[in-house]
Amino acid sequence: KQEVTQIPAALSVPEGENLVLNCSFTDSAIYNLQWFRQDPGKGLTSLLLIQSSQREQTSGRLNASLDKSSGRSTLYIAASQPGDSATYLCAVSAGGSYIPTFGRGTSLIVHP
Amino acid sequence: DAGVIQSPRHEVTEMGQEVTLRCKPISGHNSLFWYRQTMMRGLELLIYFNNNVPIDDSGMPEDRFSAKMPNASFSTLKIQPSEPRDSAVYFCASSLGTAGEYDTGELFFGEGSRLTVL
Repeated sequence: KQEVTQIPAALSVPEGENLVLNCSFTDSAIYNLQWFRQDPGKGLTSLLLIQSSQREQTSGRLNASLDKSSGRSTLYIAASQPGDSATYLCAVSAGGSYIPTFGRGTSLIVHP
Repeated sequence: DAGVIQSPRHEVTEMGQEVTLRCKPISGHNSLFWYRQTMMRGLELLIYFNNNVPIDDSGMPEDRFSAKMPNASFSTLKIQPSEPRDSAVYFCASSLGTAGEYDTGELFFGEGSRLTVL
């Protein structure tokens, strides 16, 4: 059974810092890995998706990398802003079943 | 497209009552997922449909929970009878679900239904 772990569970940083959020998974036979953002009381918004054959994806100030051999993904946020404050979740879809398993998330606060 | 649409957004009910949550997936999507989110357990998969057929319902807590997908544009999650421990946010999500060459498997979520059972 796929297990997904996110570290750290919470993070508080001053505005302008570059951040790295970590996601690890136990089964490397994956179909894709997706990073989401969740604001309080809201649904999950897709940020980046990395397919099994890819190593990284970029969107604006966000960059996500995937290393299947080590069972890890990182989400890099450049020049953080208060508007980046949210919970960030990663979801790993197993190859074959296509069912996403979620980590518990990293709660990020960026203070001015 | 309007995205995944869930109703109701909020539901407050008393223990023992029946609760029905509804979901309309994105048009053209073949896979539909019901998740439950709590502080204690995070996001848990309840059931997964593909082409209206339940593929994996191993996450359904017990017989009090049932889910249906009568057609490609509608699904329900029913709890009968409801209990206080069922209080959570229930999310519906959909994806293209063809496993074809151009299907990235990207998952799209609704805004969720917040259930409180008193």
